[in-house]
Amino acid sequence: DAGVIQSPRHEVTEMGQEVTLRCKPISGHNSLFWYRQTMMRGLELLIYFNNNVPIDDSGMPEDRFSAKMPNASFSTLKIQPSEPRDSAVYFCASRRNRGQVSGANVLTFGAGSRLTVL
Amino acid sequence: GQQVMQIPQYQHVQEGEDFTTYCNSSTTLSNIQWYKQRPGGHPVFLIQLVKSGEVKKQKRLTFQFGEAKKNSSLHITATQTTDVGTYFCAGPPGDMRFGAGTRLTVKP
Repeated sequence: DAGVIQSPRHEVTEMGQEVTLRCKPISGHNSLFWYRQTMMRGLELLIYFNNNVPIDDSGMPEDRFSAKMPNASFSTLKIQPSEPRDSAVYFCASRRNRGQVSGANVLTFGAGSRLTVL
Repeated sequence: GQQVMQIPQYQHVQEGEDFTTYCNSSTTLSNIQWYKQRPGGHPVFLIQLVKSGEVKKQKRLTFQFGEAKKNSSLHITATQTTDVGTYFCAGPPGDMRFGAGTRLTVKP
């Protein structure tokens, strides 16, 4: 199992540019989460999907952020236009939902995408 | 969404000392999970607690879930330099929001 795959691992861009982060969840996992991590704000949940459907996007900072999951094996997080305050590490995580069964619902994280907006 | 509060934010210990981090919720949690993130790495699952009053051990790590299922703790006995990192609690299983984490540093 290749785990959760994120790309790019690092991106440096200039303010105003569009940024697209990509995530491939573990095969068979039916929930996908996007998190943003900064020193000041910690690990923030941005949005999560169940069976490719967005369930809660209340953590998305503003309209400049959008996320899609067109199929079970791919998701994108897009920032347009990007701003310096968007600089952070963005993590994607996936899991197999199995309700309240003990041992289920464990998140597997990708290695993260470190974004720097100049 | 529901928030879990975690204390302390930072903890610096001498190697061999014990370490404890606490997680609190204002509402009852169906279960709680603990993750560890090494410096420069990503969060990695440690354990899940489901039952009221549950206690689980992993070598030198002891995890507890409160009787009311509103709080949890992670205790490390005789810390080692390999324990360095940030420890997070997370719950509930629906939207998986993380506490602020406790960053542990260990002086050899």
